[in-house]
Amino acid sequence: DAKTTQPPSMDCAEGRAANLPCNHSTISGNEYVYWYRQIHSQGPQYIIHGLKNNETNEMASLIITEDRKSSTLILPHATLRDTAVYYCIAPLNSGGSNYKLTFGKGTLLTVNP
Amino acid sequence: KAGVTQTPRYLIKTRGQQVTLSCSPISGHRSVSWYQQTPGQGLQFLFEYFSETQRNKGNFPGRFSGRQFSNSRSEMNVSTLELGDSALYLCASSNTGSITYNSPLHFGNGTRLTVT
Repeated sequence: DAKTTQPPSMDCAEGRAANLPCNHSTISGNEYVYWYRQIHSQGPQYIIHGLKNNETNEMASLIITEDRKSSTLILPHATLRDTAVYYCIAPLNSGGSNYKLTFGKGTLLTVNP
Repeated sequence: KAGVTQTPRYLIKTRGQQVTLSCSPISGHRSVSWYQQTPGQGLQFLFEYFSETQRNKGNFPGRFSGRQFSNSRSEMNVSTLELGDSALYLCASSNTGSITYNSPLHFGNGTRLTVT
C-alpha cells in the first residue's frame, strides 16, 4: 500500500466543519484513496473513496490534490457522534494485496460540545 | 439496504474450546472477508471467500477456518482456543473483493471474543 501519514489527533467544535488531512506522496496513478472511521468497539465504517476527482456523499466530502499526493476528508457539520478514529488508506493496486485492508494509526477526531 | 450482520455480538469461551462466528453480508455482495483486530496487532487479515471458494488467506494457523454458503453467508471457526485469540473478529463484504478497483469493503460491528 502507498504509505499514508495522518496527524495522530485533532479537535473540532460541534457544528463546525472538521477537515482531516492525509499525505500519500507515494501513491501511484491507479490507487484509490479510501477513508474509514472506527468508533470504539464497533467495526470500521466506510466513509468515502476517490481516485482523482473530488467526491461527495451523504457523510462527507473528499478533496484530492491535483498531484494526488494528499487529500482532505471534510465532515461539514461535525456532531458528537463523529468522534472516532479516522483512517486514510491507499490500497496497493496489485495482485498481492488488492483484497485486504491495512490500517495505520489514523487520526483520533474529538468533537467537543 | 441492510448492512453486514455478525452474530453473536459477544462471546466468552475457555481455553481449548472451539467457537463458530457467523456473518451475513450486504445483499448482492459475493465477497466476504474476515479480520482479527487487537490493540497490539491492529487489523489483521484472516481470509476471503468469493462464491463459496476461499480466494485468499492470511498468516494464521490452521485452527482458524471458514466457509461460505451459496447465499454468501459465511462462518468462521476457531478450534482449540488460546488466550491470545481474544479479539474483535470483523467480517466485511464487498461486490468484488478487490478494494483497489472501486469496490469498498463494508464491515459489520464484529464479534468480541474473550478467551479465559
